[in-house]
Amino acid sequence: DGGITQSPKYLFRKEGQNVTLSCEQNLNHDAMYWYRQDPGQGLRLIYYSQIVNDFQKGDIAEGYSVSREKKESFPLTVTSAQKNPTAFYLCASSFDGGRTEAFFGQGTRLTVV
Amino acid sequence: GQQVMQIPQYQHVQEGEDFTTYCNSSTTLSNIQWYKQRPGGHPVFLIQLVKSGEVKKQKRLTFQFGEAKKNSSLHITATQTTDVGTYFCAGRANDYKLSFGAGTTVTVRA
Repeated sequence: DGGITQSPKYLFRKEGQNVTLSCEQNLNHDAMYWYRQDPGQGLRLIYYSQIVNDFQKGDIAEGYSVSREKKESFPLTVTSAQKNPTAFYLCASSFDGGRTEAFFGQGTRLTVV
Repeated sequence: GQQVMQIPQYQHVQEGEDFTTYCNSSTTLSNIQWYKQRPGGHPVFLIQLVKSGEVKKQKRLTFQFGEAKKNSSLHITATQTTDVGTYFCAGRANDYKLSFGAGTTVTVRA
């Protein structure tokens, strides 16, 4: 089945630890996105990538890092520098950037204690 | 930078009534998309508008794109319990950046 997969669904980490969220797609999409969702704040863009080996900061990139070494994969690392990392993280991809619909993964709920 | 604002944040609707949610951008958009997120789920694409003044309908849902391509609206008629969820607009200016509004969370009273 084609789709976009995020893992794990739930993740718990201790404060001060870096954590990497996985996002894989087999839709042959060029563009991939990471969003953070908090209650009442909608989807805020963290990073986006138009093509392999290229990515751009979104609106709230501080404390996060990404890589795009393969077309299918766009992992997000939440670093210890992120002041409030507990949130619901959504990965998305689209065939032609924002020109076509974005497909979302199921999301990862990260809790930092 | 590009900002997409959406109002209202919450919409409590009596079953059978109509309502509208509005989306405004600080910059001119190349296109606007609408998504629906059911409680506990992820956003799912509903529709895309590209042309100035464009109007599209999906059953009881009517989507409009403003003449200046800086605003959009979603109107739902005869609200049903299946309409419960959060509706997001998302706009793209001239690059691949897809910016979402804060969403309108809809609850329905039976």
